[in-house]
Amino acid sequence: EPEVTQTPSHQVTQMGQEVILRCVPISNHLYFYWYRQILGQKVEFLVSFYNNEISEKSEIFDDQFSVERPDGSNFTLKIRSTKLEDSAMYFCASSGAPVGLGYIQYFGAGTRLSVL
Amino acid sequence: QKEVEQNSGPLSVPEGAIASLNCTYSDRGSQSFFWYRQYSGKSPELIMSIYSNGDKEDGRFTAQLNKASQYVSLLIRDSQPSDSATYLCAVNGGFQKLVFGTGTRLLVSP
Repeated sequence: EPEVTQTPSHQVTQMGQEVILRCVPISNHLYFYWYRQILGQKVEFLVSFYNNEISEKSEIFDDQFSVERPDGSNFTLKIRSTKLEDSAMYFCASSGAPVGLGYIQYFGAGTRLSVL
Repeated sequence: QKEVEQNSGPLSVPEGAIASLNCTYSDRGSQSFFWYRQYSGKSPELIMSIYSNGDKEDGRFTAQLNKASQYVSLLIRDSQPSDSATYLCAVNGGFQKLVFGTGTRLLVSP
């Protein structure tokens, strides 16, 4: 069964360092997303991406964050200068064309980011 | 601010019983609704989507939507210990983004 693949599963970094989280969406999907979940809290939307540009972003997704689809398979989230509060589980998701009224989003296993 | 509200639980049911999970949402314009299951330390796993008022059944799961009351529910029939997880209600909050509730923790005891 097709799945969204994320690497690494756990990333430890020092405050102020740049990190890149990587995702391989499901192969025929066109819409890509990043969400994050701080421990014990709800899943929060960060950004959606379609046709090589950001289609929607949240207030969390400030200038420290960027996304890119560097080739035909990868989708990346870059955090330029990590802060302690960026520590969270980051989930990549992808969806195909809308089904009815909705975009059915499938999530990867996540990358746990620990900022020290 | 679009909100999705869920009782955090835990909701405890015996094996074989029906578990009923509820969710309310604030944005009357929401069009698509999803239930995800999340095991501890894992990612959200899609269970069902629903777009129209009424019931939608898939195996042991039934989703119910009432747009007038801004209410979505998930029924799990013949609950199994393996159903013990956190159930997340998600509602489209914009073009594509999903707004999640905090989730309801379900415990199914053997």
